[in-house]
Amino acid sequence: IAGITQAPTSQILAAGRRMTLRCTQDMRHNAMYWYRQDLGLGLRLIHYSNTAGTTGKGEVPDGYSVSRANTDDFPLTLASAVPSQTSVYFCASSEHSGNTGELFFGEGSRLTVL
Amino acid sequence: GQNIDQPTEMTATEGAIVQINCTYQTSGFNGLFWYQQHAGEAPTFLSYNVLDGLEEKGRFSSFLSRSKGYSYLLLKELQMKDSASYLCAVMDSNYQLIWGAGTKLIIKP
Repeated sequence: IAGITQAPTSQILAAGRRMTLRCTQDMRHNAMYWYRQDLGLGLRLIHYSNTAGTTGKGEVPDGYSVSRANTDDFPLTLASAVPSQTSVYFCASSEHSGNTGELFFGEGSRLTVL
Repeated sequence: GQNIDQPTEMTATEGAIVQINCTYQTSGFNGLFWYQQHAGEAPTFLSYNVLDGLEEKGRFSSFLSRSKGYSYLLLKELQMKDSASYLCAVMDSNYQLIWGAGTKLIIKP
């Protein structure tokens, strides 16, 4: 059982470059999320999708975009990376939006922007 | 603003009991979650409380007092593998999760 798969696991990127972090789930969950995790801070929601074809902005959406063309995939794109986007990025899913059940997380993508 | 507070770091001894506290101030309340995160890994779900009281699950228990905006995670019979960060998160009135910064638990032999 794969659950949620993220790629790449780690990436070093020059400032100004475009980058897409991939996220795929095989649990047929309706809702998917992108978080960033920085030292000393709680997980912060970047974007979310309650169901295929819809997306919404989270707490820190600036500089990021997402798409949800189907149930399984939820890529996160940095159009022009900046050093402040250096972080660990986690993709997560839940069976339904507003779900009081658990979130399932991918293993994370560690991004360094120089 | 919305705020989740938990201690940054705690140390405990193998075999002992440790209590990790979490206090919160949020716009509404639709439940409180605890997640465990080992270094370099993804968070994994531990517990969910929506009503006041204690929920027990094996060596782990979670307590909630909504009137006090307070929860704790109790870990019994500590094992070395329990060394991890423990994340407290509250679901607000918009069903958005607000996360604490996590408590790093260090277990010593």
